[in-house]
Amino acid sequence: DIQMTQSPSSLSASVGDIVTITCRASQSISSYLNWYQQKPGKAPKLLIYGASSLQSGVPSRFSGSGFGTDFILTISSLQPEDFATYYCQQSYSTLLYTFGQGTKLEIK
Amino acid sequence: EAQLVESGGGLVQPGGSLRLSCIASGFTFSSYWMHWVRQAPGKGLVWVSRCVSDGTTSYADSVKGRFTISRDDAKNTLYLQMNGLRADDTAVYYCVRGYRRSFDIWGQGTMVTVSS
Repeated sequence: DIQMTQSPSSLSASVGDIVTITCRASQSISSYLNWYQQKPGKAPKLLIYGASSLQSGVPSRFSGSGFGTDFILTISSLQPEDFATYYCQQSYSTLLYTFGQGTKLEIK
Repeated sequence: EAQLVESGGGLVQPGGSLRLSCIASGFTFSSYWMHWVRQAPGKGLVWVSRCVSDGTTSYADSVKGRFTISRDDAKNTLYLQMNGLRADDTAVYYCVRGYRRSFDIWGQGTMVTVSS
């Protein structure tokens, strides 16, 4: 199984900050890496697919990068509505998809 | 607008069974891979199962042999038959559409509680 490890597990930041969240795969997954945002009591929302492609309707302050085993989600100029939990997910294996453990982004 | 609506969750005793349903609208259901993803209270996301448009299925090891995913394209409906339920199956279950190897449309979720 491909393991996904996110860091940090939690993060405090202020409105206007630039934030980066890292996701590492236990083996190469090419660019089959997706990022999701989840707010309390709500379903997750797709932000980034294919490591760096922005999902339609997602603000351009969200961006993704990486290839192989190391990936980064960047949020430039944090907005109040961005405080949420973020998950990475590998889709390299279409027989067994796996998510990272999540990164909770809180207001400082 | 593409939409997924789950139903069928509830309280069930350990060892019991439950069938979840997910009705899709606003897109050509038969053309898409469909998935179930679950989230235990206060925990992260866990992929459970997927059903390809040709009926091919795949399961997480934790549910293999106990859960069965299926679809009825004529009814635009995805199912998850859950047998031999255990306390650690307690979670919100989300129906999810697969697209470009990502999960782009999520239902609101249905809660399954396994407890005596």
